[in-house]
Amino acid sequence: EDKVVQSPLSLVVHEGDTVTLNCSYEVTNFRSLLWYKQEKKAPTFLFMLTSSGIEKKSGRLSSILDKKELFSILNITATQTGDSAVYLCAVEDNYGQNFVFGPGTRLSVLP
Amino acid sequence: ETGVTQTPRHLVMGMTNKKSLKCEQHLGHNAMYWYKQSAKKPLELMFVYSLEERVENNSVPSRFSPECPNSSHLFLHLHTLQPEDSALYLCASSQESGGSPLHFGNGTRLTVT
Repeated sequence: EDKVVQSPLSLVVHEGDTVTLNCSYEVTNFRSLLWYKQEKKAPTFLFMLTSSGIEKKSGRLSSILDKKELFSILNITATQTGDSAVYLCAVEDNYGQNFVFGPGTRLSVLP
Repeated sequence: ETGVTQTPRHLVMGMTNKKSLKCEQHLGHNAMYWYKQSAKKPLELMFVYSLEERVENNSVPSRFSPECPNSSHLFLHLHTLQPEDSALYLCASSQESGGSPLHFGNGTRLTVT
């Protein structure tokens, strides 16, 4: 059965800190790994990763995938209070339309 | 506006009621999903429709009944629910050909009394 594990489950930092969120997975036929940010309601898409070792970057956020070790990290530099959210990791299998989510990491950024 | 619209935003219903959740996507996608998000649990996939045909049904109790009349609309019909069904129900859409992330609606917060 496909499985996604995230760590830590919660994290409290101060503005300006850098954080690293972890996601490890087991999936029968891997297609992609996705990161989402969920503040109040709708999870919003951050990154989709399909190839190992290629960093994806968007502003202060970046992510990389290691398909050999079956994990991904999401980095946030110079954190701001607006980064406070639950960060979800999901994997998609090759059969399509099957996205399995992890429990999420709840990040709190204090002023 | 997320491109995926869900109504109602909040719903309180008794265990003997019948209600429906509605989802509409304006993104031209051809796959639609229902997910359940309970406190302290990962998002759970309930149903997937691809090209208007149900392709996934993850052992969901029959008191939840999905309907997909066309590629833009998805419903979740609810009847004789239990208090443990209280949760945030999220609709999502994607492009079936792959390489497309899920786009979520804002969800319906359901409380069963």
